[in-house]
Amino acid sequence: DIHMTQSPSSVSASVGDRVTITCRASQDINSWLVWYQQKPGKAPKLLIYAASTLQTGVPSRFSGTESGTDFTLTISNLQPEDFATYYCQQANSFPYTFGRGTKVEIK
Amino acid sequence: EVQLLESGGGLVQPGGSLRLSCAASGFSFSSYAMSWVRQAPGEGLEWVSGISGSGYSTYYSDSVKGRFSISRDNSKNTLFLQLNSLRAGDTAVYYCAKVLYSDILNPGDFDLWGRGTLVAVSS
Repeated sequence: DIHMTQSPSSVSASVGDRVTITCRASQDINSWLVWYQQKPGKAPKLLIYAASTLQTGVPSRFSGTESGTDFTLTISNLQPEDFATYYCQQANSFPYTFGRGTKVEIK
Repeated sequence: EVQLLESGGGLVQPGGSLRLSCAASGFSFSSYAMSWVRQAPGEGLEWVSGISGSGYSTYYSDSVKGRFSISRDNSKNTLFLQLNSLRAGDTAVYYCAKVLYSDILNPGDFDLWGRGTLVAVSS
């Protein structure tokens, strides 16, 4: 199975801050990396797919980059509604696997 | 409205069975592969199983292979997950999710999720 190492597990930030979350795949996943946002008691929401493509309707302050097997989600100008848990997922091969999540908390 | 609505969860004893359903609306159900993803209380996300749009191809995680069975009824726009030989470790919210691209399951980007249904396995 492909292991996804996500860091940090939590981050405290203020409104307006820039937040960066990283995810490393244990092997090549051909850019098939997805980022989700999940709020308490809610289903995950697709933010970015294919490592850097913004899902329709997602604000442009969210962006994704890749460098080999390392992937980054950046939230620029953090907004109150962005406080949530973020997960990466490799969508390249079965079984699909997720990172352990990053909780973005209010400082 | 485009949505997925799960049902069928509940409290079951170890070794018991449940059948989860996911009713789809607002999109061409047979044109998209589907999956089940679960989340144990306070934990992260775990992909469980997937099925192609036609229903001919199915995939399972090792943790559920041989115990769970995924199927779909395209005439009723409904996805199913049969859970047998349940264990305490299967306790989770089970989400159904739609694949972003097409009727094949790979790549597995999920753009539409249901609200989830809770399965609790306990004696």
